[in-house]
Amino acid sequence: AQTVTQSQPEMSVQEAETVTLSCTYDTSESDYYLFWYKQPPSRQMILVIRQEAYKQQNATENRFSVNFQKAAKSFSLKISDSQLGDAAMYFCACPMDTGRRALTFGSGTRLQVQP
Amino acid sequence: EAGVVQSPRYKIIEKKQPVAFWCNPISGHNTLYWYRQNLGQGPELLIRYENEEAVDDSQLPKDRFSAERLKGVDSTLKIQPAELGDSAVYLCASSTDGTYNEQFFGPGTRLTVL
Repeated sequence: AQTVTQSQPEMSVQEAETVTLSCTYDTSESDYYLFWYKQPPSRQMILVIRQEAYKQQNATENRFSVNFQKAAKSFSLKISDSQLGDAAMYFCACPMDTGRRALTFGSGTRLQVQP
Repeated sequence: EAGVVQSPRYKIIEKKQPVAFWCNPISGHNTLYWYRQNLGQGPELLIRYENEEAVDDSQLPKDRFSAERLKGVDSTLKIQPAELGDSAVYLCASSTDGTYNEQFFGPGTRLTVL
């Protein structure tokens, strides 16, 4: 079964600084996508960024970028120029077993942004 | 475009009582998911629908949980009878199709069983 590990339960960053959230995963798939979701206190899960595993180029969305190391099964999220609105729970996710079109999530990292 | 709608947002019940959650996915999304999120954890899949067919319900506790998606649009998740351990946030998500497409989540229903 697929597993996703987020080893940092909590992280803190100063406003305007950069922070990196870690994620490792295990999958037997050869072609897959990886996702980072943000969950603010309102509970609405919002997609932050998506990485296609067959692409070597790391995905970037404005201030958010990933460091994808396929061989190491590592998928970290970098947030640049952190803003107060970035404070939330962040979940890394990968697809479940072959044919199961749902996601396996990590346990999350709570990000605090200090003014 | 309206997002995924869920109701109620909060529900408090006594144990052994029944409870139901409702989800209206984004128009045109034929795949619908129910996830359960325990406190301090990531969401875990309960059931996935492709149109009106439940194609993945292996993690649904079928002794007390049931779900339906009539006409392939709205869906209802039911628990009967509820147990203390069922306290969690129940999230509904939808997508156009497949693993590689973004799943859009609703705001969830927070269930508290006393």
